[in-house]
Amino acid sequence: QVQLQESGPGLVKPSETLSLTCTVSGGSIRSYYWSWIRQSPGKGLEWIGYMHYSGTANYNPSLKSRVTISIDTSKTQFSLKVSSVTAADTAVYYCARGPGFGDYDGFRKYYYGMDVWGQGTTVTVSS
Amino acid sequence: SSELTQDPAVSVALGQTVRITCQGDSLRSYYASWYQQKPGQAPVLVIYNKNNRPSGIPDRFSGSTSGNTASLTITGTQAEDEADYYCNSRDSSGNRVVFGGGTKLTVL
Repeated sequence: QVQLQESGPGLVKPSETLSLTCTVSGGSIRSYYWSWIRQSPGKGLEWIGYMHYSGTANYNPSLKSRVTISIDTSKTQFSLKVSSVTAADTAVYYCARGPGFGDYDGFRKYYYGMDVWGQGTTVTVSS
Repeated sequence: SSELTQDPAVSVALGQTVRITCQGDSLRSYYASWYQQKPGQAPVLVIYNKNNRPSGIPDRFSGSTSGNTASLTITGTQAEDEADYYCNSRDSSGNRVVFGGGTKLTVL
């Protein structure tokens, strides 16, 4: 089955750029959206953004000015960059497959969520 | 602040039924997904769409939606169900995604 694995530096200095990669194995990167989510110590989940393999992307408005997500279909990887990091960006970063969006059933639109997650990688911002 | 609101903590006696709720205006237009997260682990999808369970999720987990509220119900709660639960859906714009603040479920 599909598995995701995050990789990247565990320590980033303030004001620098955080860069993470998620490697997709056991399945295709095409035809899906791919997301990044983070969780600060002791806090809840925060959606960072998603990208479709076709290039469509959407970001959390609170992070949009500093975040870029990209996809390399040849390597079945997608990446996250967060610029100008501060201590507030210290978190466990997860990559995930999804979300999936569906049709209207007469009441609401279907929402498939994120069905496969990486194990997460801890990033600490500190000098 | 999150566009989806959850109670921070809920408790349930072993073997009983518990409902965890998630409120938000966008839930009038979109179904929600629910995730279970145990300490030190990645979240696991337990419910998506109207009331669908991924393969491997026990049928004691179910979902429902009414008005602006999505609910996750665990029937016959087991000790291993003690975890944090997060709801997730599209935001009011429909283009972005939002998580609820999470509910810590304690099994007594």
